[in-house]
Amino acid sequence: QIQLVESGGGLVQPGMSLRLSCVASGFTFSDYAMHWVRQTPGKGLEWVAGISYDDSNKYYADSVKGRFTISRDSSKNTLDLHLSGLRPEDTAVYYCGKVLQPYYITLIDDWGQGTLVTVSS
Amino acid sequence: QSVLTQPPSASGTPGQGVALSCSGSTSNIGSNYVFWYQQLPGTAPKLLISKNNQRPSGVPDRFSGSKSGTSASLAISGLRSEDEADYFCAAWDDSVRGVLFGGGTKLTVL
Repeated sequence: QIQLVESGGGLVQPGMSLRLSCVASGFTFSDYAMHWVRQTPGKGLEWVAGISYDDSNKYYADSVKGRFTISRDSSKNTLDLHLSGLRPEDTAVYYCGKVLQPYYITLIDDWGQGTLVTVSS
Repeated sequence: QSVLTQPPSASGTPGQGVALSCSGSTSNIGSNYVFWYQQLPGTAPKLLISKNNQRPSGVPDRFSGSKSGTSASLAISGLRSEDEADYFCAAWDDSVRGVLFGGGTKLTVL
């Protein structure tokens, strides 16, 4: 079955950096675009970034553009999100997600369990 | 502030039906598929409806989706206590070149 397991969250001070990872299994990772979505505790979902199946296109929310970088390594079935210049408002649970169908940048059908990032001094 | 607009709350009694709305614009709902997600307390979101009205396997047929113009709707019939959750709509937006989520509707089963 499809599994997405995020890791790398934790407590970090404002201005610092963090790298989140998502290990995928149960599907042909290299055929699917992927997304990162975050959720502030008790609030709604906010899309953060997406990457095409072949790494040719990357997309970012305005709120993180220039600070976060999405990347993938299809040889290791991993999706990464590098967070830099962190702000308290970046505090959230970060989910990785696989899109519904191969080769297209569409929306998520399978979600990981999430990893919590807390930005605080 | 979410660009897809959902009412913050809705309620119904067991056995009743309820419709949750999601309003957008021509650059998102008007030109792309709408997905719906259910999020139970303390868990990750789960896909409920894809491509406006497609139910993944395992999703009861009590859940149905529809889209008209720049609005979409999730209908739940025969409400059950386990349907009490947050429901989010989402769509790709051609202008921002990204995914937009609605703010979510908290459904209470009275």
